Amino acid sequence: DIQMTQSPSSLSASVGDRVTITCQASQDITNYLNWYQQKPGKAPKLLIYDASNLEAGVTSRFSGSGSGTDFRLSISSLQPEDIGTYYCQQYSDQVTFGGGTKVEIK
Amino acid sequence: QVQLQESGPGLVKPSETLSLTCTVSGGSASSASYYWSWIRQPPGKGLEWIGYVYYNGNTNYNPSLKSRVTISVDTSKNQFSLNLSSVTAADTAVYYCARTAWLPLMFDQWGQGTLVTVSS
Repeated sequence: DIQMTQSPSSLSASVGDRVTITCQASQDITNYLNWYQQKPGKAPKLLIYDASNLEAGVTSRFSGSGSGTDFRLSISSLQPEDIGTYYCQQYSDQVTFGGGTKVEIK
Repeated sequence: QVQLQESGPGLVKPSETLSLTCTVSGGSASSASYYWSWIRQPPGKGLEWIGYVYYNGNTNYNPSLKSRVTISVDTSKNQFSLNLSSVTAADTAVYYCARTAWLPLMFDQWGQGTLVTVSS
């Protein structure tokens, strides 16, 4: 099984801050990595696919990078509507999700 | 815009079988372009992929659940279904159905989710 480890598990930042979430795979997954945002009480929403491609309709505040085992999701300027929990998901071997990163406004 | 809606009992007894259906609207479960997945989320915890089905009935399941899971598709009703047998309290979760694009394998449209509680 490929394990996905996200850090931090939670963070608190101010509006306008740049925020970065990391996701580490237990083995090389090339770029087979997607990112989702889940707002409280709602279903997850796809943000980024294949590590760095922005899903249609998603604000360009979000960006993704990385390959191999280390990946990052960045929010260029944190907005109040960005609060929620963010998950990475690999599909190199079956499907597994990271444990999530909860983002709050300071 | 495709929409997905989960339906089924909200309460299941231990050792019984959990059965849910996802109805697809605004799209077709017989599309060759997509798979159809089930994903669950225990209260306060993260996401767990359960498995997916293709329009022709081909399936792929999470190895950790494979012995208890069956996912099927009924293209005539534009629905796909989940059966999870021998449930325990650990199977209590919000269950989501999701449209699944292939290569990249990504869950691009989700249902709203339905909470299933396993309790006597």
